[in-house]
Amino acid sequence: AQSVTQLGSHVSVSEGALVLLRCNYSSSVPPYLFWYVQYPNQGLQLLLKYTTGATLVKGINGFEAEFKKSETSFHLTKPSAHMSDAAEYFCAVSAKEYGNKLVFGAGTILRVKS
Amino acid sequence: DAGVIQSPRHEVTEMGQEVTLRCKPISGHDYLFWYRQTMMRGLELLIYFNNNVPIDDSGMPEDRFSAKMPNASFSTLKIQPSEPRDSAVYFCASSFGGMGGYTFGSGTRLTVV
Repeated sequence: AQSVTQLGSHVSVSEGALVLLRCNYSSSVPPYLFWYVQYPNQGLQLLLKYTTGATLVKGINGFEAEFKKSETSFHLTKPSAHMSDAAEYFCAVSAKEYGNKLVFGAGTILRVKS
Repeated sequence: DAGVIQSPRHEVTEMGQEVTLRCKPISGHDYLFWYRQTMMRGLELLIYFNNNVPIDDSGMPEDRFSAKMPNASFSTLKIQPSEPRDSAVYFCASSFGGMGGYTFGSGTRLTVV
């Protein structure tokens, strides 16, 4: 079974519109969850992470994500898209059942239209 | 903190040649990971180390690939002999504790012609 599923390999939004990137995970134990962003010709950069505690986590550049255990989801949102948000976004999960390493989703390319 | 440092940034080599990619992790991090990224296969974990010891190399595609971590501040990924299908961007990442957030290097873009 796929550990991390990102719905939609490409998402296109208009500048100023809501950004919603979907991520579902499979884990039998409480996971740690992450979102990374990759700009062209760069490495992956951590946007935000959930480990324990508050289920709504805020990250850099105005992004946030909410851990919903009942839905096994960790969707990434931003109220208003900016042109500079155009990048590829990766959801990742770590849990003891996966060994001490992150498992990445396939990535979602976000396009922002002017 | 300079972050994870990879060298070279770009490498163009001829098929059959040996290629060595280098990585300096963040000081104090005890995990080091090597990833390969291609359009076709996305991000693939090749191998990772904990305290300089290789833990899981199941992602290494063939015997042509080898990785070492002689000390806590240096790791290499070697391909010998290289083939055109090895062309990709290779990333190194490090972390404190394997389940936490990773810090990635800027990657090495390898082109084998």
